Amino acid sequence: AQTVTQSQPEMSVQEAETVTLSCTYDTSESDYYLFWYKQPPSRQMILVIRQEAYKQQNATENRFSVNFQKAAKSFSLKISDSQLGDAAMYFCAYRNWGGSEKLVFGKGTKLTVNP
Amino acid sequence: GAGVSQSPSNKVTEKGKDVELRCDPISGHTALYWYRQSLGQGLEFLIYFQGNSAPDKSGLPSDRFSAERTGGSVSTLTIQRTQQEDSAVYLCASSSDRPLYEQYFGPGTRLTVT
Repeated sequence: AQTVTQSQPEMSVQEAETVTLSCTYDTSESDYYLFWYKQPPSRQMILVIRQEAYKQQNATENRFSVNFQKAAKSFSLKISDSQLGDAAMYFCAYRNWGGSEKLVFGKGTKLTVNP
Repeated sequence: GAGVSQSPSNKVTEKGKDVELRCDPISGHTALYWYRQSLGQGLEFLIYFQGNSAPDKSGLPSDRFSAERTGGSVSTLTIQRTQQEDSAVYLCASSSDRPLYEQYFGPGTRLTVT
């Protein structure tokens, strides 16, 4: 079974600074998807960024980028120019390419942004 | 367009009672998922629907939990004889056929069993 590990239960960053959230995963599959979701206090899970495992290029979405290291099974999220609205729980998630389409989540990292 | 909606937003029930949680997916989305978010266990998959059938119900924790989906749209998660350990936020998500990988989540139902 696949597992996702987020080793940082909490992180903090100063507004306008850069922060990196860590995620490692374990799978025997070669094709899969990886995601970062954001969950603010409203509980609404919001997709931040996704990465297809077959793509070597790291995904970027505006201020959000990932460092995908397939051999190391590592998938970190970098948030640049942090804003107060970035404060939330961040979940790393894994999904197999085929078969069951369920997401496997890490335990989450609570990000605090200090003004 | 409208996103995934869930009702009720919050539910308080007494131990031993049955509860029904509802999920309205995004119109046209064929896949629907239920997840449970609790303090001790994080986010756990419960069940996945493709249309009205459930090819993966491996995450349902006990036979007190059941779910159905009708008309390829609305889904109901039923918990019978609720226990205190059932207290959690129940999240629903839906996705379309293409792309297969993007799941859109609802705001969740917070269930408290007293």
